[in-house]
Amino acid sequence: DTEVTQTPKHLVMGMTNKKSLKCEQHMGHRAMYWYKQKAKKPPELMFVYSYEKLSINESVPSRFSPECPNSSLLNLHLHALQPEDSALYLCASTPGGGRYGYTFGSGTRLTVV
Amino acid sequence: GQQVMQIPQYQHVQEGEDFTTYCNSSTTLSNIQWYKQRPGGHPVFLIQLVKSGEVKKQKRLTFQFGEAKKNSSLHITATQTTDVGTYFCAPLVGNTPLVFGKGTRLSVIA
Repeated sequence: DTEVTQTPKHLVMGMTNKKSLKCEQHMGHRAMYWYKQKAKKPPELMFVYSYEKLSINESVPSRFSPECPNSSLLNLHLHALQPEDSALYLCASTPGGGRYGYTFGSGTRLTVV
Repeated sequence: GQQVMQIPQYQHVQEGEDFTTYCNSSTTLSNIQWYKQRPGGHPVFLIQLVKSGEVKKQKRLTFQFGEAKKNSSLHITATQTTDVGTYFCAPLVGNTPLVFGKGTRLSVIA
C-alpha cells in the first residue's frame, strides 16, 4: 500500500459544528503532516508529527486540534471554525524527517458556512 | 522556514514548446524537492536533488541543482497537455519540514 488515504473528501460545516478529518497510511512512515492549501496558493504547513509525537505546530489557532492515535493514523479535529478556514486540507507522510519525498493524500475540501 | 522565489508565476505555452521554471534561494540549501499538482488534485512528488550541480532526467523532464546549491530548475521538453498543472519547488535546510515555493502554473494550449 503506497497511499495516504484522507476522509472525508468533502466537508461542509457550520461555524458552531465540531468535525474531524482523518488521515491513514500503511507504509510504515513515522512522520505525518497536516497542510492547508487555499485556492491558487501553495500548501502551508500546519502540524508535524514525528514518531506519534507533535513536533511542530506552526502557530495554528486552537480551533484546529491534531491527534495521532497510532503510527498509521492522524486526525484533525475542527471546532468553531471561521469561513476563512475554508480550504483544502492535505495530509502527508514520509518515512521520517525531511530528506524523503512526501506522499500526499488527495485532501479534504472543507467549506465553512 | 526556508523561503525561495519561484518564477515565473504563470506560463502559457503551445503544445510542443519547451517550459522551464526556476527556484532561487538566498541561502544554501540541503536539498530540494519538486512536486506537481494537477488542477483539482494534490501535490505529487517528482524528484529530490541533493548534490551540487546535480542533473536528473525523467523522460521529458530535466531537473538541475545549482553548483552553489542555491537554485534549481525544472525543464520540460516538448510540452503535452498532460503536463498541465502547478509545479512547486520545495527546498530543505537541515531536517526542517517541507516548505513550498509559490509555484509555477503551466497551461498548455493544444
